[in-house]
Amino acid sequence: DTAVSQTPKYLVTQMGNDKSIKCEQNLGHDTMYWYKQDSKKFLKIMFSYNNKELIINETVPNRFSPKSPDKAHLNLHINSLELGDSAVYFCASRQGRVAPLHFGNGTRLTVT
Amino acid sequence: AQKVTQAQTEISVVEKEDVTLDCVYETRDTTYYLFWYKQPPSGELVFLIRRNSFDEQNEISGRYSWNFQKSTSSFNFTITASQVVDSAVYFCALSEALRSGNTPLVFGKGTRLSVIA
Repeated sequence: DTAVSQTPKYLVTQMGNDKSIKCEQNLGHDTMYWYKQDSKKFLKIMFSYNNKELIINETVPNRFSPKSPDKAHLNLHINSLELGDSAVYFCASRQGRVAPLHFGNGTRLTVT
Repeated sequence: AQKVTQAQTEISVVEKEDVTLDCVYETRDTTYYLFWYKQPPSGELVFLIRRNSFDEQNEISGRYSWNFQKSTSSFNFTITASQVVDSAVYFCALSEALRSGNTPLVFGKGTRLSVIA
């Protein structure tokens, strides 16, 4: 199936741990994003990569580091997890600057 | 800076009623795109529509219709004869089409629609 896929779907971990979320798209899109959705459902852009190059880096703690090995993958690594990092993280992709975003199904991160 | 406001936090309607979800946006660009997404209880984000700033024609797709008015900077979404399956959080979003760079979609805070049988 053509899609944006994220793994894992659920991630439960303790404060202070380091974790990664993987994202892959097979739509041939040139731009990928990470969004964070908090408990109030607010969706906020974190990062954007265009052809493996970081384009957007919003005000995100430097504990969060995106990595794009190729234009089909954009992974998110989080160091020293904090309680406030608990949220749903969505990966998305699109072709060009104004096309609709195609979202993955989200990764629910719970930090205890 | 771009901004999207969805003033209605939650709406509850009885099945078969019509319901309109409001969206007001702010942008300095003359070229921009507006979007609606649906997030059902299962959690995925589903694209519904994209409209560019030069096309003010209203659009209808089945029970869904969208009213774009540049004069009031609004892009409202109406569901006719609502059904329980319409229960979801609906997001309005804006993307500016700058000459360079890559602007992400900026989302409103969403409106939670509950359709009661």
